[in-house]
This record gives sequence, structure tokens and C-alpha cells, in this order.
Amino acid sequence: EAGVAQSPRYKIIEKRQSVAFWCNPISGHATLYWYQQILGQGPKLLIQFQNNGVVDDSQLPKDRFSAERLKGVDSTLKIQPAKLEDSAVYLCASSLFRGTAETQYFGPGTRLLVL
Amino acid sequence: AQSVTQLGSHVSVSEGALVLLRCNYSSSVPPYLFWYVQYPNQGLQLLLKYTTGATLVKGINGFEAEFKKSETSFHLTKPSAHMSDAAEYFCAVDTGTASKLTFGTGTRLQVTL
Repeated sequence: EAGVAQSPRYKIIEKRQSVAFWCNPISGHATLYWYQQILGQGPKLLIQFQNNGVVDDSQLPKDRFSAERLKGVDSTLKIQPAKLEDSAVYLCASSLFRGTAETQYFGPGTRLLVL
Repeated sequence: AQSVTQLGSHVSVSEGALVLLRCNYSSSVPPYLFWYVQYPNQGLQLLLKYTTGATLVKGINGFEAEFKKSETSFHLTKPSAHMSDAAEYFCAVDTGTASKLTFGTGTRLQVTL
């Protein structure tokens, strides 16, 4: 079974530029998550989708971050414009269902450096 | 709000020695607890999780953790460390709001010869 795929793996941009990340979850997984992992910290949930609908975006900085999950499969996370503090690893995860204690499967992440 | 505290950002053990990584949680409701491992340049992989029932949970790669409600702890152990265990380990709690994980800050495990 293929795992969660993410691209690109690395991205370097200058502040105020825009950037987009792509995620392909495990086939059949209804729930998709985007996390931000800043160096030295644990992952922090940015947004959670159930199929193609947003169920939790309470920690997403909506003035600059946006995400979508068209057709309930692939997802993109965009930052526009980027700030220095956005430098982090962006992890995508998926789970079969949205339920308490449901196992989340993580992709390898996209490492973003904002200069 | 629920939270997780991992004591010790770095732990170093000799190969063959006991591994003990500490995790304490704060929760107003019965928690669901997880340990994830992250190898360099990779995503997180589930080691084990506690939901209900038996408080001693066995996971992959010889790891296990014990849920102790009286101590609000969920420490991760392995009897004998291998070089391949070197990685970052994260404890997480499910907030009870449908698959919303709150992670600790992580513990980097170093295994020396």
C-alpha cells in the first residue's frame, strides 16, 4: 500500500513570495490533515478535511494560508505572502476515518525555508 | 485544554541499555495517547497507542508504554536499545475532538556504542 505522498520535498523562497505544497493521501482515506512543524517543536495541526470539506481550521493563519481538497482526494496548502516565521516542515497526514484515536499516517513532509 | 509534556529534549543511551522516554499529559477527560517516531527527513510513524482497556501497550520495534492514570503518565520503554532506534520521539494526546492530536515537543534519542 502506497503511503502519503508530498511534493516538493524542499523549497526555498524569499519573504513575501508565495508557495504551494501538494499532498496525495493514502487511497480511500477520508480525512486529511496539514501540520506545521517548526524546528524544535512538535507538529501543530493547521487544518483538517473530511472528504472535501473543512472540519477544523482554527489554527490556520487565514490571512496568508489557504488550503483546499478538491474531489476529496489530493490537497494543496498555499502560503501567500510568506513570512520568515513560516520556515518549517509542513506535514500532510491522512486517516481512514475521522474518529477519536484514529491512526494518522504521515507523509515525509515539505521543508520550507523563507529567506 | 489538553497538553503533553515530554521531559528531556535529548536522551542518550548505550546500545543494549534500557530506553526510557518520559511523557506526562494533562486532560480533563479520559485521554487517548500516542507515541510516534520520526527518523531524519521522514514523516512520523505510529509506534503505539492507548485507547481503553489494558494499560500496558505493546508497539512496533520492541517498544511498549504504560498508561498510569494516577501519575498522568505514558512513558515509553524498550529493554535493549539498538543503533537503529536513534530518532525523534513524540508523545501525543487526542483531544477527544475527533482526530485532533496535540503533540509534545519531542525527545531526540541518541544511541551510542
